[in-house]
Amino acid sequence: TAGITQAPTSQILAAGRSMTLRCTQDMRHNAMYWYRQDLGLGLRLIHYSNTAGTTGKGEVPDGYSVSRANTDDFPLTLASAVPSQTSVYFCASSDSSGRDTQYFGPGTRLTVL
Amino acid sequence: GQNIDQPTEMTATEGAIVQINCTYQTSGFNGLFWYQQHAGEAPTFLSYNVLDGLEEKGRFSSFLSRSKGYSYLLLKELQMKDSASYLCAVMDSNYQLIWGAGTKLIIKP
Repeated sequence: TAGITQAPTSQILAAGRSMTLRCTQDMRHNAMYWYRQDLGLGLRLIHYSNTAGTTGKGEVPDGYSVSRANTDDFPLTLASAVPSQTSVYFCASSDSSGRDTQYFGPGTRLTVL
Repeated sequence: GQNIDQPTEMTATEGAIVQINCTYQTSGFNGLFWYQQHAGEAPTFLSYNVLDGLEEKGRFSSFLSRSKGYSYLLLKELQMKDSASYLCAVMDSNYQLIWGAGTKLIIKP
């Protein structure tokens, strides 16, 4: 079972360039999430989607955009990367947007130079 | 503001018992989660508490006191593979998870 996949595994990006991080789940979960994880800080929610066709802003949405055209895919786009976006990015999904457990993808390590 | 506090690092001996504490202040409460995260890997779900009391699952147990804003994760019969970070997260009134910074657990033989 694949669960949640993310691509790429890691990436070095020049500042000012754009990039899309991909996330796909095969569990038919309704809700999906994007987090960033930085040393010494807890996971921080960037954007979320409660169901296909809807998205919402999390704690740290600036500089990021998302779309949810279908149930399985939830790409995260950095329009013009800055060094402060250097982080590990995790995609997660849950059956619903309520109290259901969130399951995480393997992460993308992004370095912006 | 919303805040989750847990110790940064703990050390324990193989075969022993360790308790990792978590205190929280959040806007609303819809449950508390514990996740395990090995270095360089994704967080994986360990436990969920929404009512006061102890939930036991094999070697791992999780306790919740809503009135005190307090939880702990108890790991028994520690094994080397338990070396990891343990993340405490609270689901707030908007059903969003608020995460602690994690506790790095070091197991020594």
